[in-house]
Amino acid sequence: GQNIDQPTEMTATEGAIVQINCTYQTSGFNGLFWYQQHAGEAPTFLSYNVLDGLEEKGRFSSFLSRSKGYSYLLLKELQMKDSASYLCAVRAGGSSNTGKLIFGQGTTLQVKP
Amino acid sequence: GAGVSQSPRYKVAKRGQDVALRCDPISGHVSLFWYQQALGQGPEFLTYFQNEAQLDKSGLPSDRFFAERPEGSVSTLKIQRTQQEDSAVYLCASSAPGRGIYGYTFGSGTRLTVV
Repeated sequence: GQNIDQPTEMTATEGAIVQINCTYQTSGFNGLFWYQQHAGEAPTFLSYNVLDGLEEKGRFSSFLSRSKGYSYLLLKELQMKDSASYLCAVRAGGSSNTGKLIFGQGTTLQVKP
Repeated sequence: GAGVSQSPRYKVAKRGQDVALRCDPISGHVSLFWYQQALGQGPEFLTYFQNEAQLDKSGLPSDRFFAERPEGSVSTLKIQRTQQEDSAVYLCASSAPGRGIYGYTFGSGTRLTVV
């Protein structure tokens, strides 16, 4: 089966660092994505990992371990505008791969002053 | 256009009514996906088009759901005889060939409320 787990809610303080974890069990793997979604808005692309290791992009970094079925999104120097839902998604692999994404339930991050 | 456009933005339907949701992908984007997002949940895959061909409809929850993309650009998701459990945000996403590593561009969605 397909299963992606991430915490439902997290709270952090402005200026701090927060790590959002994601574990997955999928039939096939062709990359892991992180999206940010503000309430009532479209998900927007944050990062992509297909090989093990850390990808850094400004205040955001994402890590992947394929052998452990594990990823995390690291947000540094938190700002109030970072309050949003963060979605972990795996792109299915295999010969019939259509490129569809399988999403976790999302982690609602609240940044407090 | 500059982004993926979906209409209407909000739709209230009486139970049993048919609805049609429209998606205008980014020009030239070959792949088009429909997702359903219930409140507080992540998006769930419904169906996938490559140009006008519907290659995967495994996520459509029942035969009341139907999607088409007749000319390989605009797509319509139709829900017949709507029921309360159909209430959700319906997201459309598109991607261009070779842009897979950048994921997909999502529209802002249509929020469907069935009363």
